[in-house]
Amino acid sequence: GENVEQHPSTLSVQEGDSAVIKCTYSDSASNYFPWYKQELGKRPQLIIDIRSNVGEKKDQRIAVTLNKTAKHFSLHITETQPEDSAVYFCAATETSYDKVIFGPGTSLSVIP
Amino acid sequence: DAGVIQSPRHEVTEMGQEVTLRCKPISGHNSLFWYRQTMMRGLELLIYFNNNVPIDDSGMPEDRFSAKMPNASFSTLKIQPSEPRDSAVYFCASSPGTSGNGELFFGEGSRLTVL
Repeated sequence: GENVEQHPSTLSVQEGDSAVIKCTYSDSASNYFPWYKQELGKRPQLIIDIRSNVGEKKDQRIAVTLNKTAKHFSLHITETQPEDSAVYFCAATETSYDKVIFGPGTSLSVIP
Repeated sequence: DAGVIQSPRHEVTEMGQEVTLRCKPISGHNSLFWYRQTMMRGLELLIYFNNNVPIDDSGMPEDRFSAKMPNASFSTLKIQPSEPRDSAVYFCASSPGTSGNGELFFGEGSRLTVL
């Protein structure tokens, strides 16, 4: 089955700097790669996603890149703000089966 | 729609007791997932249903865990007997399924503490 790895497990950046989180997956059949943000004590919520027919997607300060050949994808947050502090999870799924497997998470701290 | 609704939000019980967690998915969603979240193991997929049918329960830790989805608007996750290592936050999530874009909509979670 699918296995998703994620690095780093913790990340601390100064406000205004960029943050990058990297993930790898094992199942070449996976074709949908969402990213979820979970604030302390809250539920995970989707922030951005990318499909295997796209190499990059951007939404304001957040961007995701996908290298399907290497089976890795990354989340980039620019101009970080304190409210970006949270745990970020990458995930992979084969949409024909809807089985969503999460990476272990990255705890991001943005220092004012 | 009110979103995915889970109950109870908090449950404290003693080892050996039966625990039942409940979930109401978003109306019209075809897929329902149960996840367990702990610091050590992150978000683990326990089981998921598509059109009320269990598709993959390989993540269910052992026979003490069981899940049902008797209709499109209700699912339960039962632990019997419960053990302290079952303490975690249990999330239910629903998705539009293959007809949608794949986004999971999570409930607020049920925090279980087994003493």
